[in-house]
Amino acid sequence: EAQVTQNPRYLITVTGKKLTVTCSQNMNHEYMSWYRQDPGLGLRQIYYSMNVEVTDKGDVPEGYKVSRKEKRNFPLILESPSPNQTSLYFCASSLRASFNNEQFFGPGTRLTVL
Amino acid sequence: GQQVMQIPQYQHVQEGEDFTTYCNSSTTLSNIQWYKQRPGGHPVFLIQLVKSGEVKKQKRLTFQFGEAKKNSSLHITATQTTDVGTYFCIRAGNNRKLIWGLGTSLAVNP
Repeated sequence: EAQVTQNPRYLITVTGKKLTVTCSQNMNHEYMSWYRQDPGLGLRQIYYSMNVEVTDKGDVPEGYKVSRKEKRNFPLILESPSPNQTSLYFCASSLRASFNNEQFFGPGTRLTVL
Repeated sequence: GQQVMQIPQYQHVQEGEDFTTYCNSSTTLSNIQWYKQRPGGHPVFLIQLVKSGEVKKQKRLTFQFGEAKKNSSLHITATQTTDVGTYFCIRAGNNRKLIWGLGTSLAVNP
């Protein structure tokens, strides 16, 4: 089944404890992206990747890192999480980097930083 | 500059009533996409509009792209409880960024 998977789905952590949220897609998509969703602010793009080893900052990249060593995986790394990174995170992928392609979303990761 | 404004922010309707959400931009759009997010779910692609004045239908949903390609609308005829959710429009920004509207949340009273 074609899908985007994220792990973990829920995470409660403490300030400063490094964490990684994994994202994987099995559709051979070139473009992958991370979003955070906060009430009243909609979805905001954190980082995106147009292909392997090509990543770029979205609108809210501060406090996050990403890597794209393989086409299927695009992990989101929080080196030193802070409470303002408490949010709902979505990973998404699309076939190509152009805007003519549908994005497929993972189920989301709800992160709480205490 | 590149933002898209969605109105209304919330809409509460009685089942069977119609619903419309609007997406407006101050700049010309190359194209626009619409997504739906059910409560507790993830965004799901609905449609993409590319041509000026384009109208596309999906059952009870009608999508329009303005003649000037600066606005778009989603109209639902005779809403059902399954239409509940938040509807987002998105546009392409610079350097392959994607810019989302804040969404219109639809509630339907049975």
